[in-house]
Amino acid sequence: DVKVTQSSRYLVKRTGEKVFLECVQDMDHENMFWYRQDPGLGLRLIYFSYDVKMKEKGDIPEGYSVSREKKERFSLILESASTNQTSMYLCASSSGGALADTQYFGPGTRLTVL
Amino acid sequence: AQRVTQPEKLLSVFKGAPVELKCNYSYSGSPELFWYVQYSRQRLQLLLRHISRESIKGFTADLNKGETSFHLKKPFAQEEDSAMYYCALSGRGSQGNLIFGKGTKLSVKP
Repeated sequence: DVKVTQSSRYLVKRTGEKVFLECVQDMDHENMFWYRQDPGLGLRLIYFSYDVKMKEKGDIPEGYSVSREKKERFSLILESASTNQTSMYLCASSSGGALADTQYFGPGTRLTVL
Repeated sequence: AQRVTQPEKLLSVFKGAPVELKCNYSYSGSPELFWYVQYSRQRLQLLLRHISRESIKGFTADLNKGETSFHLKKPFAQEEDSAMYYCALSGRGSQGNLIFGKGTKLSVKP
């Protein structure tokens, strides 16, 4: 079974703080993704990575950065958290090749920025 | 532009009734289509993909290229089907990227 874990289920931060969200997968997947999930807006892709040290912007990268130093770990960084970044953050991974689009999701991190 | 549209935010049906969750897409080419599901307090997971032509938990979905639709259907809804459903598409060469619709919340009443 693919396991995607996220460092925190709930996180409360203050405006202006630097926030790190960690995601780890144990299936040697090439691709990893960060989404935010908001009611009425669905899932929106923030960043993705298809290899170590590689990253690509998704649809809403502003205010975020990512890091992928190891294949199994993909970190999302909010350099200076703002209240409009309060959301549910989902990490996902997928293998390369023909099944690249079958994504496996983590449980999510609900971030509240005060 | 690539786009997935789920016109219903909420769909409410009674147990045993047929259910159809609508999905339309915009893509110039041959996309691959998926349905993902998120049950209460569980993680998002793949329900089915059109190329496999499987029936999962009684759900089926047919890709209609003429109507650019991929509606999800089940003849007899169960209470445990209550969940959030997302339609998604993947284009060739997309490196696994999926474009998700905004989701439809299905509520099956007893």
